[in-house]
Amino acid sequence: GNSVTQMEGPVTLSEEAFLTINCTYTATGYPSLFWYVQYPGEGLQLLLKATKADDKGSNKGFEATYRKETTSFHLEKGSVQVSDSAVYFCALPLTGGGNKLTFGTGTQLKVEL
Amino acid sequence: NAGVTQTPKFQVLKTGQSMTLQCAQDMNHEYMSWYRQDPGMGLRLIHYSVGAGITDQGEVPNGYNVSRSTTEDFPLRLLSAAPSQTSVYFCASSYGVGPYEQYFGPGTRLTVT
Repeated sequence: GNSVTQMEGPVTLSEEAFLTINCTYTATGYPSLFWYVQYPGEGLQLLLKATKADDKGSNKGFEATYRKETTSFHLEKGSVQVSDSAVYFCALPLTGGGNKLTFGTGTQLKVEL
Repeated sequence: NAGVTQTPKFQVLKTGQSMTLQCAQDMNHEYMSWYRQDPGMGLRLIHYSVGAGITDQGEVPNGYNVSRSTTEDFPLRLLSAAPSQTSVYFCASSYGVGPYEQYFGPGTRLTVT
């Protein structure tokens, strides 16, 4: 079935550093791909998504490109801020589609001054 | 607009006790779901519902019961709690079968001793 493998954390960066969090997937067909973010003490919220191959999702300075050749959806940001400290989850629909999502294990990001 | 609300925020149970985790949404979403979040495992889908009166199992349904009598509410029942059910539980909702953005509640942290 569909699954996602995500880069292990935690990741600690200095403010204004470049961020990459790796995500690769296994899927039947070309499902939509998602990045969700969880700030401390809160539930998850959608950060960005891509619905087809070669699509680029973007939001709040974060970007991810749906690459079917490498089955990847890596999250990037050019200059991180302390306020970006959170846990980031890559996700895609379970086999069969719809809103039933399977998530990666999450990558904790800590940004320091 | 409260979004997705969950009660309680924290709960401690003894093995064998029962309880209900409450979830409500005020966005008139048809789709609702329950996930559990465990360290190193990401989020896993427990049960979901595509509308009032319709529920189905997710990846890890054993030990949990759900019902959907109204569009707004989707309670999760633990009939006989076990230590393996110690986790953080998240309820989520979305507009339709999707895949659409899912809106998550703040979570319930459950400890079973």
